[in-house]
Amino acid sequence: QVQLVQSGAEVKKPGASVKVSCKASGYTFTSYTIHWVRQAPGQRLEWMGWINADNGNTKYSQKFKGRFTITRDTSANTAYMELSSLNYEDTAVYYCATSGYCGSGNCYHPIDYWGQGTLVTVSS
Amino acid sequence: EIVLTQSPGTLSLSPGERATLSCRASQSVSSNYLAWYQQKPGLAPRLLIYGASSRATGIPDRFSGSGSGTDFTLTISRLEPEDFAVYYCQQYGSSPRTFGQGTKVEIK
Repeated sequence: QVQLVQSGAEVKKPGASVKVSCKASGYTFTSYTIHWVRQAPGQRLEWMGWINADNGNTKYSQKFKGRFTITRDTSANTAYMELSSLNYEDTAVYYCATSGYCGSGNCYHPIDYWGQGTLVTVSS
Repeated sequence: EIVLTQSPGTLSLSPGERATLSCRASQSVSSNYLAWYQQKPGLAPRLLIYGASSRATGIPDRFSGSGSGTDFTLTISRLEPEDFAVYYCQQYGSSPRTFGQGTKVEIK
């Protein structure tokens, strides 16, 4: 069965960076795309971007371009997201999730399997 | 970007009743690329419906989706105790993918 296991909760100071991992199992890692979605307290879910696990192609939401990076390590079946220049509004639960393989442009597959979420708290 | 507005914000119903949830888009959703998710407290969302009306693997047939263009509906024909949760719609036909603000289905 598909499983996505994320790294543990983080507490960061404003201006710092955070890196969250997402280890996949139960499927062929390089055949699918991994997305990152966040949910701030009391807010709606917010899509941040995706990465094709085979070739590393990425697509980001304009909102996060410049301070958000998704990478992957195919030897470890693991994807990573890094968010820099953190501010208080970045406090949220960050989820990784899979979808069918996305092409180089738009991606017309629904997000299906989700990780358990990682709470990132930005606090001075 | 496409803004999704869900209504009502909260639905208070009893087990066995029918639930009808609405999702309205600010512009037409390409090829009905509209999904519905269920989320329970402290858990990740769970895919229920994709392509506006196709049930995801393992989803009971009491869940159904309909609609096209800018107006979409999720119907739960008879509420079971485990169905009380928050439901989100999401469009994936244009980038960025966007979510609605959610409808909470609570026990009356």
